[in-house]
Amino acid sequence: GAGVSQSPRYKVAKRGQDVALRCDPISGHVSLFWYQQALGQGPEFLTYFQNEAQLDKSGLPSDRFFAERPEGSVSTLKIQRTQQEDSAVYLCASSLLAGQETQYFGPGTRLLVL
Amino acid sequence: DQQVKQNSPSLSVQEGRISILNCDYTNSMFDYFLWYKKYPAEGPTFLISISSIKDKNEDGRFTVFLNKSAKHLSLHIVPSQPGDSAVYFCAASIGTYKYIFGTGTRLKVLA
Repeated sequence: GAGVSQSPRYKVAKRGQDVALRCDPISGHVSLFWYQQALGQGPEFLTYFQNEAQLDKSGLPSDRFFAERPEGSVSTLKIQRTQQEDSAVYLCASSLLAGQETQYFGPGTRLLVL
Repeated sequence: DQQVKQNSPSLSVQEGRISILNCDYTNSMFDYFLWYKKYPAEGPTFLISISSIKDKNEDGRFTVFLNKSAKHLSLHIVPSQPGDSAVYFCAASIGTYKYIFGTGTRLKVLA
């Protein structure tokens, strides 16, 4: 389909392991966002890309979290030395333009850290 | 401090009746609001939005009302259908891409 896709859909990691989560935004969308959604909560902003530039990473909870979008399309969120509190659903969203636009979400990756 | 609040975690409504989902916010600088619907194991799907210069926006069975003086937003679904059963999130932003989401309200439409 033409929507936002994410992989893997589910990931189980042992505490201390590194993980990489992938997002394929809608083709041609300039803006890409990562959110973290804990159980029973709404999505919380992590970081924002405009094309390949990471313009805002104010929501990343620690320096163990790193995101990139090297060619302005696919993005990867990497979490190093995972901890149990990292367990959440990680959502990717994209929007056509920059600014205050409707964001279209992918299905998310559910991460469980044991 | 939760800037966007959805105080009702769940709501049950009979099919064909009106569903009213509520959202309160604390920051009067918010100027754009959205509602998203989320089914299990799927990402949130955009439903409807409203700018702070309006007090109402309609799209088919969905209407969003904005009361700026009360800092209150509501989503009306008329008539409610079983397929509307989902979790609904409101979100708000101040002139930018950074949306702040509420905690969601689970709507169950009973057939």
